[in-house]
Amino acid sequence: DIQMTQSPSSLSASVGDRVTITCRASQSISNYLNWYQQKPGKAPKLLIYSSSSLQSGVPSRFRAGGSGTDFTLTISSLQPEDFASYYCQQSYSTTRTFGQGTKVDFK
Amino acid sequence: QVQLVESGGGLVKPGGSLRLSCAASGFNFRHYYMNWIRQAPGKGLEWVSYITSSGSSTFYADSVKGRFTISRDNAKNTLYLEMNSLRADDTAVYYCVRDRAEWELPSHFDYWGQGTLVTVSS
Repeated sequence: DIQMTQSPSSLSASVGDRVTITCRASQSISNYLNWYQQKPGKAPKLLIYSSSSLQSGVPSRFRAGGSGTDFTLTISSLQPEDFASYYCQQSYSTTRTFGQGTKVDFK
Repeated sequence: QVQLVESGGGLVKPGGSLRLSCAASGFNFRHYYMNWIRQAPGKGLEWVSYITSSGSSTFYADSVKGRFTISRDNAKNTLYLEMNSLRADDTAVYYCVRDRAEWELPSHFDYWGQGTLVTVSS
């Protein structure tokens, strides 16, 4: 199976900060990489698909990119509603896998 | 609007069985690939299984292969997950998740149900 490794596992930030989360695949996955946001007690929400395509309705402060094995998700100016957990997920292989998650909380 | 409503969760003893259902509405169910994804309490997301639009192909995580079976009834707009030989580490919230349409690429999970809790304990 393809392993997905996110870093950091958690981070503390303030409103207005620029935040970057990285995701590394154990083998090349081209651009078959998606990002999700999850708030406590809620189902995850799709943010980004195909490495860099913004899902409809998602604010433009969310940007992402990468190809091959290395990917990033950047929040350009953190808003109060962005404090949540973030997961990357590969769709290159028929057995999908998620990263372990990154929790973004208040500094 | 797209709705996915899971049911069938509950408390079951180790070694027992359970069948989850997911009622889909608001989209043409028969044309979409579908998934089950789970989340153990306080843990991350784990993909469990997916099924193609016709039901002709299915795929499973190694952790559930041989114990779980995904299926669908396109006439009833319903997705199922049959779970056998349940273990304590199967305890999780199970989400029904929509994947790509059969004419789209690539795969991504754009709609999620609210989840149903499965607890495996004696």
